[in-house]
Amino acid sequence: GAGVSQSPSNKVTEKGKDVELRCDPISGHTALYWYRQSLGQGLEFLIYFQGNSAPDKSGLPSDRFSAERTGGSVSTLTIQRTQQEDSAVYLCASSSHRGASRPETQYFGPGTRLLVL
Amino acid sequence: QKEVEQDPGPLSVPEGAIVSLNCTYSNSAFQYFMWYRQYSRKGPELLMYTYSSGNKEDGRFTAQVDKSSKYISLFIRDSQPSDSATYLCAMTYGGATNKLIFGTGTLLAVQP
Repeated sequence: GAGVSQSPSNKVTEKGKDVELRCDPISGHTALYWYRQSLGQGLEFLIYFQGNSAPDKSGLPSDRFSAERTGGSVSTLTIQRTQQEDSAVYLCASSSHRGASRPETQYFGPGTRLLVL
Repeated sequence: QKEVEQDPGPLSVPEGAIVSLNCTYSNSAFQYFMWYRQYSRKGPELLMYTYSSGNKEDGRFTAQVDKSSKYISLFIRDSQPSDSATYLCAMTYGGATNKLIFGTGTLLAVQP
């Protein structure tokens, strides 16, 4: 079946502009995660959705970052007033995890490569 | 200090070699341990998932967890050029969120 998809694949923007990144999870997966991958930093957790709610936003680096999920499916990560340090690969993952006991596997999308000039 | 430490490499080995990749961690609350493989310009894909201390084998891959030493390893036997990728260790406390904490990844090149 279809995996996690993300769009756009690449995004180049100017400092100060807003960007929106989209994630389409695997159908039926209630859990959705955003991570950021920067050179030398590895993957860093940003936010976790269970359905349309975000019970864990602890990884969002500043209030310029926000995310929403609608219909228990598609999620959008928005970065306002982008800065050069926001340049990274933004990865989305989904799983059937429902918040208890043994974690379910997270399946990752290909990522959106964001370059802020 | 990062919660999870991983040697970034790069690591270059000849085809057929045994590869050993390692991570150390500082928080004993981690309960679940994974290894992901990431090809260039692709998302990570899960290779191995372990819970308890000990070994888990899947084909040419063996994952080893030593909770007492806070040390995990991934061994690749009979390495192939197609194994050339970045290998990421990840771990989680489990529970409500299941957010993954990753190492920085080790870049592996298997030379034909």
